[in-house]
Amino acid sequence: NAGVTQTPKFQVLKTGQSMTLQCAQDMNHEYMSWYRQDPGMGLRLIHYSVGAGITDQGEVPNGYNVSRSTTEDFPLRLLSAAPSQTSVYFCASSWSRGQGNEKLFFGSGTQLSVL
Amino acid sequence: GENVEQHPSTLSVQEGDSAVIKCTYSDSASNYFPWYKQELGKGPQLIIDIRSNVGEKKDQRIAVTLNKTAKHFSLHITETQPEDSAVYFCAAIDGGSQGNLIFGKGTKLSVKP
Repeated sequence: NAGVTQTPKFQVLKTGQSMTLQCAQDMNHEYMSWYRQDPGMGLRLIHYSVGAGITDQGEVPNGYNVSRSTTEDFPLRLLSAAPSQTSVYFCASSWSRGQGNEKLFFGSGTQLSVL
Repeated sequence: GENVEQHPSTLSVQEGDSAVIKCTYSDSASNYFPWYKQELGKGPQLIIDIRSNVGEKKDQRIAVTLNKTAKHFSLHITETQPEDSAVYFCAAIDGGSQGNLIFGKGTKLSVKP
């Protein structure tokens, strides 16, 4: 059972480039989310999805797009990378947002550097 | 929306001592408070959680306490071991956003042998 799989593990971009961070889960979880982790800032929610075809913004959504065409996949797109988007990105999933189902399973992260 | 404050940002203890990490939250409607442990180079993992209808929960050497009136909760680790060294995050449910978890800024715990 793979859990939550993120690719790539490392990425270096130039300012203005675009790219997609991939996230896939094999647990049939309804809820998926993206967080970014910066030193001294903890984990901040970028976007989330409560099911296929449904997405919404989190705390820091600017500069990022998401889509959820299947239950398994939840890619994060950087439209025009900026140095401020240098961070470690984590994808996380859970069964749902209902009581008793809040436990988040995290992927191993993508370390992104924007030069 | 929910705001979670976590203290201290760093904590160093001797092996065998206890460690305590404290968090406060702002949304009185929050009813779920998990703690995550992040080891170097890995994603966070849930270690213990507590709901608002419970005041304390224990799991071997770790325990969490919740004071709803004061809106704060704490993680207690007893008999610390070097493998407890990690970054610990507290979190609370944001009642106004379909139940998303809002995290504190983390505590880096170092256990010295």
